[in-house]
Amino acid sequence: KNEVEQSPQNLTAQEGEFITINCSYSVGISALHWLQQHPGGGIVSLFMLSSGKKKHGRLIATINIQEKHSSLHITASHPRDSAVYICAVHNDMRFGAGTRLTVKP
Amino acid sequence: EADIYQTPRYLVIGTGKKITLECSQTMGHDKMYWYQQDPGMELHLIHYSYGVNSTEKGDLSSESTVSRIRTEHFPLTLESARPSHTSQYLCASSEIGAGGTQYFGPGTRLLVL
Repeated sequence: KNEVEQSPQNLTAQEGEFITINCSYSVGISALHWLQQHPGGGIVSLFMLSSGKKKHGRLIATINIQEKHSSLHITASHPRDSAVYICAVHNDMRFGAGTRLTVKP
Repeated sequence: EADIYQTPRYLVIGTGKKITLECSQTMGHDKMYWYQQDPGMELHLIHYSYGVNSTEKGDLSSESTVSRIRTEHFPLTLESARPSHTSQYLCASSEIGAGGTQYFGPGTRLLVL
């Protein structure tokens, strides 16, 4: 069993929909990252969380340390949000398999 | 915008060749990382460094080696490339300390024929 589990694996949404991607982990961590990987392969770090909630534009990330769970939310989704979203936990950097999001116009 | 660079971006090479993938960052970060990612698959940490003269192996066994002679430079070398080394290699850096935000380079796509 992977130490970092993401769900769903694939997600297709219509433009404007509210998106939620989940990440559960089984190891102790010092921080959790949400990364965005575009089709060309480039990776952008969206959030680094160790507790609570962070918001950046239409993106919101939350983490519950006790439940070992984090969620990434996208409000008013747009086709340009189409990418693979990766959860990574930081001790020795364990990665989830990623969630492939496709937002249709 | 992150100042971390990787060269080459794409490399096609024959079996048995020695190759070095370059990674440089201008942010003065102490920690640097190399990840390997096969298409559509997870990222795997293969090497990391806490600073000059520090190198550690990551989770995924790799036949590559790294060096850290200067803070800004963290090259990865394959002494004898094989088709099984075909993958994308991503370099990242972060400030020292637990959980620092990692900044990723654009990646090098390697194809070994």
